[in-house]
Amino acid sequence: QSVLTQPPSASGTPGQRVTISCSGSSSNILFNTVNWYQQFPTTAPKLLILGTDQRPSGVPDRFSGSKSGTSASLAISGLQSEDEADYYCAAWDDSLKGYVFGTGTKVTVL
Amino acid sequence: EVQLVESGGGLVKPGGSLRLSCAASGFTFSHYSMNWVRQAPGKGLEWVSSITSITNDIYYAGSVKGRFTISRDNANDSLYLEMSSLRAEDTAVYYCARTSIGGYDFDNWGQGTLVTVSS
Repeated sequence: QSVLTQPPSASGTPGQRVTISCSGSSSNILFNTVNWYQQFPTTAPKLLILGTDQRPSGVPDRFSGSKSGTSASLAISGLQSEDEADYYCAAWDDSLKGYVFGTGTKVTVL
Repeated sequence: EVQLVESGGGLVKPGGSLRLSCAASGFTFSHYSMNWVRQAPGKGLEWVSSITSITNDIYYAGSVKGRFTISRDNANDSLYLEMSSLRAEDTAVYYCARTSIGGYDFDNWGQGTLVTVSS
């Protein structure tokens, strides 16, 4: 059972802004950075956001990350059809002494 | 170019054992912490185990502790996962992933290898 909770789905029309939440606790998100991964069907995950709000080289700037307290968010501005994928948040958990992933959110472009 | 290539997956009976390998190339393997992450069919990502660079500190998810063993061979740029007492719920695609230096993010992933535990 994942300790980071995400909504199972999110959707929007092309050009809209979509936000995905990630709810954690004081042992993970509060004091540690959050990472986000994007995964297309039958392919390996890809790092999308690191260090809570940084984009790796090559990731479009329409993707942005933030956190407040024990929750984090991924925003997709100017949604595009190629953004249709599964998105996972993740962070180190100091109590579990392990890395924890969120439950995952499937983004659909209407 | 960073490459991570997993191998060793397959069909194994409950209670059986399997050894996964991950061959790394395109970077100085010994400088990086490495990880195993799995994904059961139709399910989300689950972190399995990590091994750090230099000190070789090891961490396991509670679901595999005592049954799985992670190790690395820096001379051969390889990561391993020895799995024993396998259960049906261990059925998943197993990914090898690299931790970025100074961070907790997994910046490069292999293509995965499928492990199926079934009688």
